[in-house]
Amino acid sequence: QQQVKQSPQSLIVQKGGISIINCAYENTAFDYFPWYQQFPGKGPALLIAIRPDVSEKKEGRFTISFNKSAKQFSLHIMDSQPGDSATYFCAAGIQGAQKLVFGQGTRLTINP
Amino acid sequence: EPEVTQTPSHQVTQMGQEVILRCVPISNHLYFYWYRQILGQKVEFLVSFYNNEISEKSEIFDDQFSVERPDGSNFTLKIRSTKLEDSAMYFCASSLIRENEQFFGPGTRLTVL
Repeated sequence: QQQVKQSPQSLIVQKGGISIINCAYENTAFDYFPWYQQFPGKGPALLIAIRPDVSEKKEGRFTISFNKSAKQFSLHIMDSQPGDSATYFCAAGIQGAQKLVFGQGTRLTINP
Repeated sequence: EPEVTQTPSHQVTQMGQEVILRCVPISNHLYFYWYRQILGQKVEFLVSFYNNEISEKSEIFDDQFSVERPDGSNFTLKIRSTKLEDSAMYFCASSLIRENEQFFGPGTRLTVL
């Protein structure tokens, strides 16, 4: 119930392409869905987050799509760049509780 | 830009020894967290702390673990008697309010030999 399932585990995309990472959850009490970007040896950095009152949120080249009925959300990176190569984690949280439940992570490689 | 800082960056210890990991959260934040990440695995919640007390903890956070805010700036995680399986990257995070926008520090890599 508390799990967040993330796919794929790894992804290789050509420069300029679209990277898509998907997450699914079971617990309908989750109401906050952030995405974190992590470079080797660094801590996760908040990239973008969404709440279930909207179906999409866009910040620059990064877009979260949210499907409440399917209990799924995804990260789209448009015009992917080599500097986007990192591990991406989706997470879910419940307002009023503090912990975030993380997905397994996706290692994204953008080939030049 | 304000950031969460952690010291040390790498700690090596012998099994059974006590370790203290230190964090300085973002100065006006009120909620503090510890997470850990075993190499190659996902980030796991350990504990959250607010108003000088633990507000939530996971099943990982057993009696061997404790947290403290000894002064107005530091937030510490103590492991009393380290085990081999405690080897992981430990991340401190903080948030201004309870609405989940947590900012992570760079982590402390703990190696238990």
